[in-house]
Amino acid sequence: AQKITQTQPGMFVQEKEAVTLDCTYDTSDQSYGLFWYKQPSSGEMIFLIYQGSYDEQNATEGRYSLNFQKARKSANLVISASQLGDSAMYFCAMSRSMNRDDKIIFGKGTRLHILP
Amino acid sequence: AAGVIQSPRHLIKEKRETATLKCYPIPRHDTVYWYQQGPGQDPQFLISFYEKMQSDKGSIPDRFSAQQFSDYHSELNMSSLELGDSALYFCASIGSGNTEAFFGQGTRLTVV
Repeated sequence: AQKITQTQPGMFVQEKEAVTLDCTYDTSDQSYGLFWYKQPSSGEMIFLIYQGSYDEQNATEGRYSLNFQKARKSANLVISASQLGDSAMYFCAMSRSMNRDDKIIFGKGTRLHILP
Repeated sequence: AAGVIQSPRHLIKEKRETATLKCYPIPRHDTVYWYQQGPGQDPQFLISFYEKMQSDKGSIPDRFSAQQFSDYHSELNMSSLELGDSALYFCASIGSGNTEAFFGQGTRLTVV
């Protein structure tokens, strides 16, 4: 069975610093997709970044990058130059394959607090 | 760009009432997922549809049903509501060749 583990329930980071949110996963599948979502206090679930298991390069989207280490089964999210607006809950998630009819399962989340 | 639209955004119902939540996926997206997120919890998968057919089922109570219509919008029907059904309900859509799963803004259901 698939499992996502986020070991940091909460993090406090000074504004403008870089932050790494940890995510490890467990799957026996060769083909899978990894996602990161941001959920601010308003509740919406905002897609940040995606990494496919066969992608050789780490995914990047603006200030977000995904540090994908396949052998270690980790998919950490790196946010560069953090901003106050980055304060939110962050969920790591995965789908069993890269087929779009496979459900996405979520980790428990990490609540990130950016300090001024 | 068009996003996933959910309606209503907020809903208050009494115990034992019924509720219908609607989800309009991004145009040309043919897959819809439904999730339930309790307070302080991670989203839990309920059910999904691909090309108007149910593709997977998670921890969805028998009191709930859902379907996807010919225009790809989806509805989640919830009957005999219980206090524990109070949660944020999300739908997400994915399209052909697209590896991004976009979520709607959610429907916050409160059962009183």
